[in-house]
Amino acid sequence: AQSVTQLDSQVPVFEEAPVELRCNYSSSVSVYLFWYVQYPNQGLQLLLKYLSGSTLVESINGFEAEFNKSQTSFHLRKPSVHISDTAEYFCAVSGSGTYKYIFGTGTRLKVLA
Amino acid sequence: EPEVTQTPSHQVTQMGQEVILRCVPISNHLYFYWYRQILGQKVEFLVSFYNNEISEKSEIFDDQFSVERPDGSNFTLKIRSTKLEDSAMYFCASSAGTGSGNTIYFGEGSWLTVV
Repeated sequence: AQSVTQLDSQVPVFEEAPVELRCNYSSSVSVYLFWYVQYPNQGLQLLLKYLSGSTLVESINGFEAEFNKSQTSFHLRKPSVHISDTAEYFCAVSGSGTYKYIFGTGTRLKVLA
Repeated sequence: EPEVTQTPSHQVTQMGQEVILRCVPISNHLYFYWYRQILGQKVEFLVSFYNNEISEKSEIFDDQFSVERPDGSNFTLKIRSTKLEDSAMYFCASSAGTGSGNTIYFGEGSWLTVV
């Protein structure tokens, strides 16, 4: 069985400061890992994903995440956040042999001016 | 950019009533999904659908739930007799395939309130 843990339910951070949103997973099979973002009153949008290959993946808006197999983590980072990054961020895991994604409980990022 | 669209965006219904949530997946996608998110909780998988049949479902997806692709474009979720605990945001999603490289695209959700 697969599971995802997002330890931080809320993360307040000042504008232009760095941020890390933590995600740990457990799985008995090879994993695919995802970060989705949900802006207020909108649906889930894919931010970035790890399928295979390079363990560091990047999004077009400056976020990056690193797949760490030994620590079973896929933390999301951004070196300098903007007010517009305020949203809820969900980590998800999938794997071979299943159609479904398992989501974490989400982390609410609030960027303060 | 193609997107998954859902209707209604918000529905209030009385306990015991039937509800149908509608979705138009991305046009060239073959796999369809419903997820739900109870307020303050995680997004949970309900069901996946491929080639006009259910390919996988969770324990949440009991006999009260059904899915259908009535024509070439719509994908519906029916709840036969709603309960208070069915109140949630329901997300429809679609993908071109499964496994590595096949990203799931989500709609904006249908918020169901059962009173």
